[in-house]
Amino acid sequence: GIQVEQSPPDLILQEGANSTLRCNFSDSVNNLQWFHQNPWGQLINLFYIPSGTKQNGRLSATTVATERYSLLYISSSQTTDSGVYFCAPGGGNKLVFGAGTILRVKS
Amino acid sequence: NAGVTQTPKFQVLKTGQSMTLQCAQDMNHNSMYWYRQDPGMGLRLIYYSASEGTTDKGEVPNGYNVSRLNKREFSLRLESAAPSQTSVYFCASSELAPGLTEAFFGQGTRLTVV
Repeated sequence: GIQVEQSPPDLILQEGANSTLRCNFSDSVNNLQWFHQNPWGQLINLFYIPSGTKQNGRLSATTVATERYSLLYISSSQTTDSGVYFCAPGGGNKLVFGAGTILRVKS
Repeated sequence: NAGVTQTPKFQVLKTGQSMTLQCAQDMNHNSMYWYRQDPGMGLRLIYYSASEGTTDKGEVPNGYNVSRLNKREFSLRLESAAPSQTSVYFCASSELAPGLTEAFFGQGTRLTVV
């Protein structure tokens, strides 16, 4: 099955800083999603991005399917960005989750 | 538009008790799934249903059963709960086959087995 590796595992930012989260996956995929799990445990859809680049406000994501990686960019971070960020490539009839990146944004 | 709704939100069970977690979606999606999330880990697939009337095992199906009651509802049953099943359970749905289209998740059920 697909193996997913996310980096870094932990990240502490000062409010206003920028960051890049990376997701590597081992096989060809049909789909890739980025989620934010907030401190209350809710999973929030950020991007559905099988390939290419998308932007939504301060967040953007790029997936290079041929090289088997995806990047999530967070600009001008805010304390509300804190939580866990998961990437989940899809293939073989399921989404496979990475272990996540824990982000803490300090004011 | 509620999306994916799970009940209950919290549950405490004694070892050996049984219970059913309920999930309903109002997006007319064909596929539904159950995942579990353990501390410090990502989500792992328990069972999925690619369409009404079909179910398949995921990565960690042991100790669970599922029922796709109709297109809207997909339930997860623990017949004899064990402490190893203490976890947060998420239901999800997507329009097409799992892994092919965007999936949407419920708010989770936090289950503790003592």
